[in-house]
Amino acid sequence: SQTIHQWPATLVQPVGSPLSLECTVEGTSNPNLYWYRQAAGRGLQLLFYSVGIGQISSEVPQNLSASRPQDRQFILSSKKLLLSDSGFYLCAWSVLQGANEQFFGPGTRLTVL
Amino acid sequence: SQQGEEDPQALSIQEGENATMNCSYKTSINNLQWYRQNSGRGLVHLILIRSNEREKHSGRLRVTLDTSKKSSSLLITASRAADTASYFCATSRETGTSYDKVIFGPGTSLSVIP
Repeated sequence: SQTIHQWPATLVQPVGSPLSLECTVEGTSNPNLYWYRQAAGRGLQLLFYSVGIGQISSEVPQNLSASRPQDRQFILSSKKLLLSDSGFYLCAWSVLQGANEQFFGPGTRLTVL
Repeated sequence: SQQGEEDPQALSIQEGENATMNCSYKTSINNLQWYRQNSGRGLVHLILIRSNEREKHSGRLRVTLDTSKKSSSLLITASRAADTASYFCATSRETGTSYDKVIFGPGTSLSVIP
């Protein structure tokens, strides 16, 4: 069966510090991968999606970047965090093409102080 | 914008009652999905309904889709306290690439009181 992992679960970082959130998927090959951010009590904002290794599409201009160094690994990064980067970050995967049901990881709660 | 908008934003009911949440969207879609999110957790997929379908059932869940009105509803029958969560609709449309863009609405917060 497929599983998706995210870490860390929670993170408190000072403004200006770097960020690296990791997401890995098991039990499937060549998935579409997604990074979302969710503000408190709000819906999901798509940040990045990837349809293959090294292929990253950005949905909104921001202080963040994403990379996909391996087929089932998706990394969200920042060189210098802003207060506005605080939020709940969710990684998800879906089957490439076909029905686009998405499977979500447990999320990372990021607080920038 | 394609974004779905759920209605109501918040809903509080007694255990055993039915809960109905609605979703409206603005553009043509390929399919519509409903997800559930427990507080502080990731989203869990509940049901997907395609644009050529009008109704789907899954256990205590019933989803309808009216493409002429660009709206969908999620009905949870005989609600339980464990159904307390936020519910999101997500619409998708074909992009002609390997990625079908999915847009999530802001969600409905459901509280089921024991």
